[in-house]
Amino acid sequence: GESVGLHLPTLSVQEGDNSIINCAYSNSASDYFIWYKQESGKGPQFIIDIRSNMDKRQGQRVTVLLNKTVKHLSLQIAATQPGDSAVYFCAETQAGTALIFGKGTTLSVSS
Amino acid sequence: GAVVSQHPSRVICKSGTSVKIECRSLDFQATTMFWYRQFPKQSLMLMATSNEGSKATYEQGVEKDKFLINHASLTLSTLTVTSAHPEDSSFYICSAPGRGAYGYTFGSGTRLTVV
Repeated sequence: GESVGLHLPTLSVQEGDNSIINCAYSNSASDYFIWYKQESGKGPQFIIDIRSNMDKRQGQRVTVLLNKTVKHLSLQIAATQPGDSAVYFCAETQAGTALIFGKGTTLSVSS
Repeated sequence: GAVVSQHPSRVICKSGTSVKIECRSLDFQATTMFWYRQFPKQSLMLMATSNEGSKATYEQGVEKDKFLINHASLTLSTLTVTSAHPEDSSFYICSAPGRGAYGYTFGSGTRLTVV
């Protein structure tokens, strides 16, 4: 199914802190997951992805963790910067079908 | 890399009129296009899936007669909001299964305001 967020939760951090954004996905058959960053008025920007045969993947300053047992994804951002302030969405899909987006989290980074 | 060009980026229309939004795949053939709608401070909601040469598949609760989708060629998919009303004001964005590591390519989105 699809998850709809009526009000996006907010995570407020100080510059330099590590941020952890969580997401619960809905379909146990989903085999591909992506984290997106969205700035106001723009489309989603790819951050990092992970396939269901993995439980962790690291990029530059970002790490995605996947826990299929509880259908949970997390995005860790190291040394958060003001430019990281945005809304973050996880998305899931199965076998190349449409992405289904989670409800999103607003990340607010203060200097 | 794969690019999807979406136009217009912003449109203001009067209530009762129709608006067409276009998404073109510039350097690849998009046999499938996903259409999303996003209301302020909400997530992206899948509206429909268009497939070149066949009828679009609409998600539950999306009026197919109001949101007309056409996928006339391998590089062009259009969404027409017919008889638009203020409650249709939203951010509409398309996405095509892409290539390479990213998997999906998004258009830049269309901000529709119905007055």
